[in-house]
Amino acid sequence: SQKIEQNSEALNIQEGKTATLTCNYTNYSPAYLQWYRQDPGRGPVFLLLIRENEKEKRKERLKVTFDTTLKQSLFHITASQPADSATYLCALEYGNKLVFGAGTILRVKS
Amino acid sequence: EAQVTQNPRYLITVTGKKLTVTCSQNMNHEYMSWYRQDPGLGLRQIYYSMNVEVTDKGDVPEGYKVSRKEKRNFPLILESPSPNQTSLYFCASSTHRTGGNTEAFFGQGTRLTVV
Repeated sequence: SQKIEQNSEALNIQEGKTATLTCNYTNYSPAYLQWYRQDPGRGPVFLLLIRENEKEKRKERLKVTFDTTLKQSLFHITASQPADSATYLCALEYGNKLVFGAGTILRVKS
Repeated sequence: EAQVTQNPRYLITVTGKKLTVTCSQNMNHEYMSWYRQDPGLGLRQIYYSMNVEVTDKGDVPEGYKVSRKEKRNFPLILESPSPNQTSLYFCASSTHRTGGNTEAFFGQGTRLTVV
């Protein structure tokens, strides 16, 4: 079965710095990978989708990379702000399902 | 406004008492699914549906039932709830039938406690 690993420890960074979150996966080669943001007690909100033939995708201060050889995606937030503090989830297509990692908590301190 | 609506938001029930959590979407999406979220385990898919009258098991289907009689509705049924089903539940929908190559829209969540 598919296994997705995200850093279980929270990432604490200073405001203005770049946050980098990692998503590793095994046992599969997904055609798509997605990133979501989740605030406490609320549903995940879609951020970005990247396809296997795309190396990198950007949206405002967000950047996602997808390395199918390493089986890894990196999610970057540049010029981070306290409002970026949340849990970030990666998800990938597995058959007819969308499978999620457990998420990484990001805390941005002012 | 495009949205996925779940009800109720909070529910406390007793072991064995049948309950239904409703989910409705207004975006004409084909694909709908249910997840449960537990600390340290992330979101785990319970059931999914690729279209009306088409449902299939996710990764943790035991103890749950679903139905898809209409495109907009996808209720989650717990015939005989047990304490290990205490969790935060999310309904989600997306346009594509496989659910993977388009964004998923999530409901607000239902926090269920079974005592």
